[in-house]
Amino acid sequence: DQQVKQNSPSLSVQEGRISILNCDYTNSMFDYFLWYKKYPAEGPTFLISISSIKDKNEDGRFTVFLNKSAKHLSLHIVPSQPGDSAVYFCAASAANDYKLSFGAGTTVTVRA
Amino acid sequence: GAVVSQHPSWVICKSGTSVKIECRSLDFQATTMFWYRQFPKQSLMLMATSNEGSKATYEQGVEKDKFLINHASLTLSTLTVTSAHPEDSSFYICSAMPGQGYGYTFGSGTRLTVV
Repeated sequence: DQQVKQNSPSLSVQEGRISILNCDYTNSMFDYFLWYKKYPAEGPTFLISISSIKDKNEDGRFTVFLNKSAKHLSLHIVPSQPGDSAVYFCAASAANDYKLSFGAGTTVTVRA
Repeated sequence: GAVVSQHPSWVICKSGTSVKIECRSLDFQATTMFWYRQFPKQSLMLMATSNEGSKATYEQGVEKDKFLINHASLTLSTLTVTSAHPEDSSFYICSAMPGQGYGYTFGSGTRLTVV
C-alpha cells in the first residue's frame, strides 16, 4: 500500500519559471517530510525537509509547504534552472520511526 | 558534510553467484543504516534496517536468507545478494542518518545486473 503518492510522473517547465511538485500521504502518523533529488544511476540527494509543526520551510530557491489537514505537501522551485532537471522524490516518516516511505517520484525537465 | 560511500557502483554477475555491496559512513558513525531497492521508474522500497551489532530488521516480503545484511561496525554495513537470479537485477541504495535534523544521507547506489 503506497502511503506516499506523487501523482504527476513528470513535469516540464521553462527556465526561470516556477516548478511546483505535489505529494500526498495517507498515514496520519507521518510527522516529518523530506524532498530528495535524484539523477540517473545515483543515490538521492537531500533537498529540504519540514516537520509537522510547521507549514512552510524555505531554503534558497526551494520552498516546501505542508497542509496537514489535506495530507498534502508541495515543493516549489523558483526560478527553475536547467540543472534542476532530475527526478524528485517526496518521503515521509513517523515519530520515533526512522523508516522513510517514498513516493514514486516526479521527473522534472527544465527547458531552456 | 556527511558522506555515505557505496561500492561497487555497478556489478554484473552470473546467475547463482553471490554479490556483496558495501555501505560506509565516511565522517560519522551510523548505528543504523537502511537498504533500499529501486526498480526502473518506481519508488525506493525499503528492504531492511541494519543495526550495528545486532540482526537486521527486514520488511515484509523481503527474504532475509537471500539478502544477507551485516553491520559489524559503526561505519560499515554490507548487503549480500545470495544465489542471485535475473529478477534480483535492480538498483540498490543504502542510507544513514548522521544525526537529528540532518536528514538521511544516501549512498550513490549499486546497479546489479544478473545474467
